[in-house]
Amino acid sequence: GAGVSQSPSNKVTEKGKDVELRCDPISGHTALYWYRQRLGQGLEFLIYFQGNSAPDKSGLPSDRFSAERTGESVSTLTIQRTQQEDSAVYLCASSPLHRGSPLHFGNGTRLTVT
Amino acid sequence: SQQGEEDPQALSIQEGENATMNCSYKTSINNLQWYRQNSGRGLVHLILIRSNEREKHSGRLRVTLDTSKKSSSLLITASRAADTASYFCATDNTGNQFYFGTGTSLTVIP
Repeated sequence: GAGVSQSPSNKVTEKGKDVELRCDPISGHTALYWYRQRLGQGLEFLIYFQGNSAPDKSGLPSDRFSAERTGESVSTLTIQRTQQEDSAVYLCASSPLHRGSPLHFGNGTRLTVT
Repeated sequence: SQQGEEDPQALSIQEGENATMNCSYKTSINNLQWYRQNSGRGLVHLILIRSNEREKHSGRLRVTLDTSKKSSSLLITASRAADTASYFCATDNTGNQFYFGTGTSLTVIP
């Protein structure tokens, strides 16, 4: 089947605008993760979903960031009042089980805040 | 925050040589995974080693794990130009996060 799909692949927005990033996980994958990757750096954990429940929101950097998930399907990451420091690639990953299963990543959304 | 740290940060080798990169982490883990990231793409899973394993092989990849030193190494043998990518380790501890390291950027020169 298809892999993890993220849209848009690129997004340029003006400072202060809201953006919505979408992730379609692999069908049947219970766990879904959002990560942020700044240029040339590692992955920064943002949030984790088990089904449509988010037991771990500890990585969200501020209250401008929020995420939701519909059942075991699509997830959206919303950034309100974007700042230039939000510029990064936002990666989504899914896995069938939480423990011990590899993560399947999408190609990410490259967000540029001007 | 990230738990893992890879070294070196960057590595450049000739095609055919072996490449070794290391990962250190901070807390106890259930397993450790290695991923590859080609430029502009998402991460691709390479290999997983559980906390009770010491060594694992997959094709040209060899991974070791030393839980007493909280470290792991990834060896790529007989490297190819197509191996050029960034390599990340990720640890699965008792929490819900997969902690990723900062990555090693590998360049294989044809």
